[in-house]
Amino acid sequence: GAVVSQHPSRVICKSGTSVKIECRSLDFQATTMFWYRQFPKQSLMLMATSNEGSKATYEQGVEKDKFLINHASLTLSTLTVTSAHPEDSSFYICSAKHYTEAFFGQGTRLTVV
Amino acid sequence: QQQVKQSPQSLIVQKGGISIINCAYENTAFDYFPWYQQFPGKGPALLIAIRPDVSEKKEGRFTISFNKSAKQFSLHIMDSQPGDSATYFCAASKDQAGTALIFGKGTTLSVSS
Repeated sequence: GAVVSQHPSRVICKSGTSVKIECRSLDFQATTMFWYRQFPKQSLMLMATSNEGSKATYEQGVEKDKFLINHASLTLSTLTVTSAHPEDSSFYICSAKHYTEAFFGQGTRLTVV
Repeated sequence: QQQVKQSPQSLIVQKGGISIINCAYENTAFDYFPWYQQFPGKGPALLIAIRPDVSEKKEGRFTISFNKSAKQFSLHIMDSQPGDSATYFCAASKDQAGTALIFGKGTTLSVSS
């Protein structure tokens, strides 16, 4: 299957700082990528849809100024958590579709202290 | 609004037994139904997927049964093994490259040896 790589796998940051998470499709081009958030023992909640060369589409309730998404190329999307606070601590996962099948990155565990 | 309902929340099965997880969807526009396996701290991995033109799909020990009229689909894991212990998510979407998956709440499977 297709490979989606996410970096970093873990990050700890201080409250008030910003953190960037990268999502790359390694062996295919992805016009569209998706960002999910997962709390412990819960399901994946779609945060936003990232489209190459255009603005991301955010789900209701997701602050677009806090979670900045950039999809500058067909193989890279980034999620920047700005002015992070402890409540932003979570597991963030990206996904890209290869044809119609969705493949996921390994996730990023963000801890804000 | 929960568009994909998954049950049970947790499941304990003896080694060699059959694990059955059920999902129901509401949106009749959905036409792609995958199942994902997730281990702690990792991203979801695609197990098997089905489209509405067939009622059953089998890959190794994993089988999806699909009932279009009832808007239900299920995952059967035959000869369950301790290594199958993980969280399983059903999902649904339109079968288009740019559409995001909507996930069920997940089922934590424990296979006892």
